[in-house]
Amino acid sequence: AQSVTQPDIHITVSEGASLELRCNYSYGATPYLFWYVQSPGQGLQLLLKYFSGDTLVQGIKGFEAEFKRSQSSFNLRKPSVHWSDAAEYFCAVLPAGGSQGNLIFGKGTKLSVKP
Amino acid sequence: KAGVTQTPRYLIKTRGQQVTLSCSPISGHRSVSWYQQTPGQGLQFLFEYFSETQRNKGNFPGRFSGRQFSNSRSEMNVSTLELGDSALYLCASSRDRARETQYFGPGTRLLVL
Repeated sequence: AQSVTQPDIHITVSEGASLELRCNYSYGATPYLFWYVQSPGQGLQLLLKYFSGDTLVQGIKGFEAEFKRSQSSFNLRKPSVHWSDAAEYFCAVLPAGGSQGNLIFGKGTKLSVKP
Repeated sequence: KAGVTQTPRYLIKTRGQQVTLSCSPISGHRSVSWYQQTPGQGLQFLFEYFSETQRNKGNFPGRFSGRQFSNSRSEMNVSTLELGDSALYLCASSRDRARETQYFGPGTRLLVL
């Protein structure tokens, strides 16, 4: 079955430190890949997406993610975290090329930022 | 361009009642998907509508239903509410199906007492 794993439930980093959030997926073919962010009480905001091509994708708010086919991973990175980045981050996949149009989400990683 | 809007934002109901939630997609978007978010189960897909037809359905009981209108606006209905239906219900729209990015609304927070 298709699945998305975010191994870290909660991560705390200091402001200004670098960040990497992990995401692994299980799917027969390379799906479309997304990272969303959710602030408390809010909906999901798209940070970035990967469909094909360059495996390093740039997103909003200084985030980037790298697709590694051999590891079935799509990790999210940011070189310097700001206090406003504290939120919950969700990795999601969308099966490619088929008629199935639903996103499959990981359980999320909650990011706390220490001053 | 306005984003996805959902109404109402908050709702309190009692067990056994029914509820209808509304979603207006981004202008020009024809696909609307619904997701349920709970602390225990995370984000789970409910159903997807495209051109007024349900195209895909998640693993939820028949108490959960939806529809889409000709202007792409969508509603979802939950009948005979149970305590476990308390959740944040998120609507997402995309321009078309497959290979399209889904943009989410702020959600409707439903509390069932």
